Amino acid sequence: NAGVTQTPKFQVLKTGQSMTLQCAQDMNHEYMSWYRQDPGMGLRLIHYSVGAGITDQGEVPNGYNVSRSTTEDFPLRLLSAAPSQTSVYFCASSRQGAFSPLHFGNGTRLTVT
Amino acid sequence: AQSVTQPDIHITVSEGASLELRCNYSYGATPYLFWYVQSPGQGLQLLLKYFSGDTLVQGIKGFEAEFKRSQSSFNLRKPSVHWSDAAEYFCAVATSLGNEKLTFGTGTRLTIIP
Repeated sequence: NAGVTQTPKFQVLKTGQSMTLQCAQDMNHEYMSWYRQDPGMGLRLIHYSVGAGITDQGEVPNGYNVSRSTTEDFPLRLLSAAPSQTSVYFCASSRQGAFSPLHFGNGTRLTVT
Repeated sequence: AQSVTQPDIHITVSEGASLELRCNYSYGATPYLFWYVQSPGQGLQLLLKYFSGDTLVQGIKGFEAEFKRSQSSFNLRKPSVHWSDAAEYFCAVATSLGNEKLTFGTGTRLTIIP
């Protein structure tokens, strides 16, 4: 079972560059979400989706875009990277939303210089 | 809005000793509470959850947690820790239907000494 797959594992960007963090799950989960993890701040929700075609903002959505064209994929786009977006990003999915156990990917470590 | 506080940033315990990690939440109604564990370089894994009913819940890896409404707490316990329990532990809260957001605490890093 692949579970939740995130790519790439590591990425270095220059300020102003754009990129997409990929997230795919093979469990047919309706709910998917993106978190960022920063030292001393735990995990903060960026965006989430309760199903294909539906997305909503979390706690820290500024500077990030998402789309959900299929059940399996939930990419996170950084339109113009900033040093404040240096973080570890986790994608997670669940069967039925925040109340169901979340299955996490192994993370993407992003550095913006 | 809901919030979660984990007052201990870092805890060190000896292998074989008991463990209690603290978690306090802020929410007006009955919350849905979770404990997740993160091993180094990995994503998070669910240890246990509380939705309703018995206030003492059992989880994986020998962990348990007790929901105390009067203290707004959901502390995680283990009677005897193993070296493999060294990790970071996160408490999280979700609220009523229609609010599909899981709010995490800042985490407690657990170190085990031989």
